[in-house]
Amino acid sequence: AQTVTQSQPEMSVQEAETVTLSCTYDTSESDYYLFWYKQPPSRQMILVIRQEAYKQQNATENRFSVNFQKAAKSFSLKISDSQLGDAAMYFCAYRSTNAGKSTFGDGTTLTVKP
Amino acid sequence: DTGVSQNPRHKITKRGQNVTFRCDPISEHNRLYWYRQTLGQGPEFLTYFQNEAQLEKSRLLSDRFSAERPKGSFSTLEIQRTEQGDSAMYLCASSRDRGQRGYNEQFFGPGTRLTVL
Repeated sequence: AQTVTQSQPEMSVQEAETVTLSCTYDTSESDYYLFWYKQPPSRQMILVIRQEAYKQQNATENRFSVNFQKAAKSFSLKISDSQLGDAAMYFCAYRSTNAGKSTFGDGTTLTVKP
Repeated sequence: DTGVSQNPRHKITKRGQNVTFRCDPISEHNRLYWYRQTLGQGPEFLTYFQNEAQLEKSRLLSDRFSAERPKGSFSTLEIQRTEQGDSAMYLCASSRDRGQRGYNEQFFGPGTRLTVL
């Protein structure tokens, strides 16, 4: 069974600074997807960024980028130029390419200080 | 708004009562997922449907839990004889599976928060 571990329960960053959230996972599969989701307080979860395991190039979406290390089974999220609206719980998730379900980590609460 | 909707948003019940939640997926999304999220943890997979067929159930889904998607559109999740440990946020998500290897994004609803007293 796949597992996803987020070792940082809480992180904080100064507005306009950069922060990196960590995620490690365990799997015996070679082809899969990895995701970072954002869940603001009392609001629904939205997809921030995804990475396909067969792609070596790290995914980037505006201020959000990932550092995907397949051999190390590491998948970190970097948020550049942090904004107050980035404050939320961030979840790392894994999904097999032939499965419907996603496996989530326990999340990292990000606080952005003005 | 054409996103995933869930009703009710909040439900308070007494231990031993039955509760039912409803999820309306995004139109034309043939896959529908249920997850459970307890405080301080990430969502845990419960079950998912492709059209009206229930393709996978987690071991978390005890005999007291049942999910249906009768016409391949909306879905209901029923919990019988609720226990205090059932208190959680129940999330629904939907996606469009194109029937071939490829990525399909799961869109999440706002969730139903269940409190069992």
